[in-house]
Amino acid sequence: GAGVSQTPSNKVTEKGKYVELRCDPISGHTALYWYRQSLGQGPEFLIYFQGTGAADDSGLPNDRFFAVRPEGSVSTLKIQRTERGDSAVYLCASSFGTSGETQYFGPGTRLLVL
Amino acid sequence: AQTVTQSQPEMSVQEAETVTLSCTYDTSESDYYLFWYKQPPSRQMILVIRQEAYKQQNATENRFSVNFQKAAKSFSLKISDSQLGDAAMYFCAYRSPYSGSRLTFGEGTQLTVNP
Repeated sequence: GAGVSQTPSNKVTEKGKYVELRCDPISGHTALYWYRQSLGQGPEFLIYFQGTGAADDSGLPNDRFFAVRPEGSVSTLKIQRTERGDSAVYLCASSFGTSGETQYFGPGTRLLVL
Repeated sequence: AQTVTQSQPEMSVQEAETVTLSCTYDTSESDYYLFWYKQPPSRQMILVIRQEAYKQQNATENRFSVNFQKAAKSFSLKISDSQLGDAAMYFCAYRSPYSGSRLTFGEGTQLTVNP
């Protein structure tokens, strides 16, 4: 079947604006993860959903970041009052379960805050 | 908290030769999972190989194999018969079955394959 998809592929915004990044997981995968990858670094965990609920949001850097998954499938990462330091690639991954299951990644959204 | 270290920011190999990428990790847990992911310029993270800590046998996937040394907390990736398509950034990652399901990644190793 289709892999994890993310939209948009690239997003340019101005400092202070609000952005939404979308993730479509692999069909049937109950777990969904968001990571942030700054230039030249490995991805860093932000939040993970099991079904509709956020099971672990300890990686969100501050209260400007929020994510939802209302129907247990598509997820949206929302960033308010964007700052230049938010510029990064935002990666989404999904897995069938959570206990040691392999996470499959999407192509990411590159966010640039001017 | 677990940490993952990749001490080689860049590596290069001649086509058809063998290269080994290093990874060490720090954990107090006895059961966990280790992964190698490949990230080409397209940004998509692709799973290369995975290893369960309880398994003594090293994982192998075609030209890719690992050397898992649990006592030394080392997890190196060996690529045999390197191909031009192997050129990418490689990330080592750790996953605990206890403290949530997050992956903890190393800093990555940029692999160049020379024709």
